[in-house]
Amino acid sequence: AQKVTQAQTEISVVEKEDVTLDCVYETRDTTYYLFWYKQPPSGELVFLIRRNSFDEQNEISGRYSWNFQKSTSSFNFTITASQVVDSAVYFCALSEWGSQGNLIFGKGTKLSVKP
Amino acid sequence: DVKVTQSSRYLVKRTGEKVFLECVQDMDHENMFWYRQDPGLGLRLIYFSYDVKMKEKGDIPEGYSVSREKKERFSLILESASTNQTSMYLCASSLAGWNEQFFGPGTRLTVL
Repeated sequence: AQKVTQAQTEISVVEKEDVTLDCVYETRDTTYYLFWYKQPPSGELVFLIRRNSFDEQNEISGRYSWNFQKSTSSFNFTITASQVVDSAVYFCALSEWGSQGNLIFGKGTKLSVKP
Repeated sequence: DVKVTQSSRYLVKRTGEKVFLECVQDMDHENMFWYRQDPGLGLRLIYFSYDVKMKEKGDIPEGYSVSREKKERFSLILESASTNQTSMYLCASSLAGWNEQFFGPGTRLTVL
């Protein structure tokens, strides 16, 4: 069965530190998509990235980077030089080929960045 | 920009009441979804719809129903609200298939 595990429930860092949020997934499909969403204190989930299972290239977007490794079924998210505005709950999610786009979410990691 | 709106940010209802949560998207998306979010449980899918008048059960459909009479609107209905349905309800839409989902601001429902 499909599953997404975010083992870190809460992380607290000081501004300018780098931080990595872990995501491990389980699926039997060979075709699937992985996502990261950010939920700031305001509550609205914001889409960050989508990756398909055939593209293992790492992605960098400003201070954000993602490391996708099929060998370990992981899709980790790193924030470089964290800022207070990065404080949020971050969700990793999986969508399998036969699921009509339904997302299976991890339980989220709450990141607190202190000044 | 895609906009997903939900009819209320906060709602307080009494046990046994019929409750309607409305969601509207303005980007002609095919798919629409209803989730509930609870502390420690993450987001769980209640129902989804991939076309007008079509609906599919998600992981936790019990106690809920949905309606999609128009492409842009997806309603979640609690036929007889119960206290265990107190939660944050999130609506989302996506273009089709495995495109990213866009979320509304959420409705925090309290059932007394």
